[in-house]
Amino acid sequence: QKEVEQNSGPLSVPEGAIASLNCTYSDRGSQSFFWYRQYSGKSPELIMFIYSNGDKEDGRFTAQLNKASQYVSLLIRDSQPSDSATYLCAVRTGTALIFGKGTTLSVSS
Amino acid sequence: DTGVSQNPRHKITKRGQNVTFRCDPISEHNRLYWYRQTLGQGPEFLTYFQNEAQLEKSRLLSDRFSAERPKGSFSTLEIQRTEQGDSAMYLCAGREGTNEKLLFGSGTQLSVL
Repeated sequence: QKEVEQNSGPLSVPEGAIASLNCTYSDRGSQSFFWYRQYSGKSPELIMFIYSNGDKEDGRFTAQLNKASQYVSLLIRDSQPSDSATYLCAVRTGTALIFGKGTTLSVSS
Repeated sequence: DTGVSQNPRHKITKRGQNVTFRCDPISEHNRLYWYRQTLGQGPEFLTYFQNEAQLEKSRLLSDRFSAERPKGSFSTLEIQRTEQGDSAMYLCAGREGTNEKLLFGSGTQLSVL
């Protein structure tokens, strides 16, 4: 059973701080890794994805992969109250994305 | 508007009834996925189509579930003899070729009474 594990949280950070989210995955052969954001009552939306060959920065967001530890992280700099949501980590195994349960982030103003 | 449309948005049914959901991806989405999500959980993969061919089905997809994608355009997901455990959000997502971006629709919230 291929799995993606996340701490459900909640993770609480003050406005302007760095939020750090992470997940672990079981399939060592996974090649692409995704972070989705899901607001309550809405569908998931893609924030960013990375391949196994490198990290990526996009604005306030940075995704990092530690392939040896099978660990993926998402850093959100200068956190805003609008970042408050559930963050879903996903890993591509074959054609499908396998999702974690998500981590709830709460940014207080 | 995400570009992937799902209907209906909400469905309430009685246990034992059959229900059908529809997904209309954008025209570029040759790949189409169905997921199910319950409260506090991430989306769980159900099935995958490439054009009109159903190429992969999860073990979660019991015999009561059937999906189709005639002509490689819209897709339907039917649940026969619904059970209370089928209550969930059913999400459709499209993907264009080798583009990694999976674009989700707004989902159909099913409640089985």
